[in-house]
Amino acid sequence: ILNVEQSPQSLHVQEGDSTNFTCSFPSSNFYALHWYRWETAKSPEALFVMTLNGDEKKKGRISATLNTKEGYSYLYIKGSQPEDSATYLCAPQRDSSYKLIFGSGTRLLVRP
Amino acid sequence: NAGVMQNPRHLVRRRGQEARLRCSPMKGHSHVYWYRQLPEEGLKFMVYLQKENIIDESGMPKERFSAEFPKEGPSILRIQQVVRGDSAAYFCASSPVAQGYTFGSGTRLTVV
Repeated sequence: ILNVEQSPQSLHVQEGDSTNFTCSFPSSNFYALHWYRWETAKSPEALFVMTLNGDEKKKGRISATLNTKEGYSYLYIKGSQPEDSATYLCAPQRDSSYKLIFGSGTRLLVRP
Repeated sequence: NAGVMQNPRHLVRRRGQEARLRCSPMKGHSHVYWYRQLPEEGLKFMVYLQKENIIDESGMPKERFSAEFPKEGPSILRIQQVVRGDSAAYFCASSPVAQGYTFGSGTRLTVV
């Protein structure tokens, strides 16, 4: 069973602040790491899929890095906006298994 | 492309009744996954299906729960004789290959 940990559990920031959170996972048999953004009452939306050690992906003000050797990924949000408020989930994928094991998420609230 | 469609959005059942949750995958997607989110918990894998086949049901409770994905029509998650502990949000996701999920909006089951 994969042990996926995300920290912090929740985060409150002011509009304009930059923030980051962590996903840690077992590094053995790593295949890919998925990040999802989940707004309340909506469905989780795919942000990034990362596969290579040292990979860095960017989408607007959101970026992510990956360290497969030590088993962690960081998600960064630059200049947070209220519409960034959501739960951010990471899910490592082992070997080429279809099964995504989700962390409990980081709940971000951006105050105007 | 309508995305992954789940219905109903909300379902209320009395203890002992049956609950049937439907999921229509995105067009062209032949892989379907069901996840459950219990109150205050993350997304937990339940079952993975391809057309007419259950590939992995390791996350399904052994009793009362079943899933199918027939050749024609939506995938169905069926819960017989529901109990209060079955109250949760049930999410379906689909993919064209065994990775890269697209999620539906979920069915929120309340057992009274």
